Amino acid sequence: EDQVTQSPEALRLQEGESSSLNCSYTVSGLRGLFWYRQDPGKGPEFLFTLYSAGEEKEKERLKATLTKKESFLHITAPKPEDSATYLCAVPMDSNYQLIWGAGTKLIIKP
Amino acid sequence: DSGVTQTPKHLITATGQRVTLRCSPRSGDLSVYWYQQSLDQGLQFLIQYYNGEERAKGNILERFSAQQFPDLHSELNLSSLELGDSALYFCASSVGAGEQFFGPGTRLTVL
Repeated sequence: EDQVTQSPEALRLQEGESSSLNCSYTVSGLRGLFWYRQDPGKGPEFLFTLYSAGEEKEKERLKATLTKKESFLHITAPKPEDSATYLCAVPMDSNYQLIWGAGTKLIIKP
Repeated sequence: DSGVTQTPKHLITATGQRVTLRCSPRSGDLSVYWYQQSLDQGLQFLIQYYNGEERAKGNILERFSAQQFPDLHSELNLSSLELGDSALYFCASSVGAGEQFFGPGTRLTVL
């Protein structure tokens, strides 16, 4: 069964303390992996698309990487404004529907 | 700004009533998706339309229905509302099987 699992569920860091979020997936034939950021009460904001193992994408303090079984979202020297829930998703094999992870709630303390 | 618009932003109604949520996708996007997100819960996929036709159904209740019009905007109709239907409802759009872009959502409160 196609599945996406994110860990940890929640992560509390001090400002400037770098860390990584994990997204592991089991799908037959990966057709992309998407990372989103969601602030409370807002719609998810698209961050990155990764298509093949070894691919990396960067945006400000965020860097997403992809292996054959998982993706990491690395956060370097985070600031309080990076606090949000980070979601990953992969397309289902049969249609355009996405399988969503439950998200990692990131809290950055000043 | 994702380019996806949703109206209204907020909706307060009573149990048993019917409401309609509206979504306009990004220019050029043919697929529209509807999601429900209850308080502190994950995104629950409801339904997808592609170029006017229903393409996939998720955990959508029989009391809920949707359609996509020739101009590609979509409406989600929720009827016989219950307290448990209170949630954020998001619309997203995509060109094809790629990344989805989300609207700001409609917050529905059923009293």
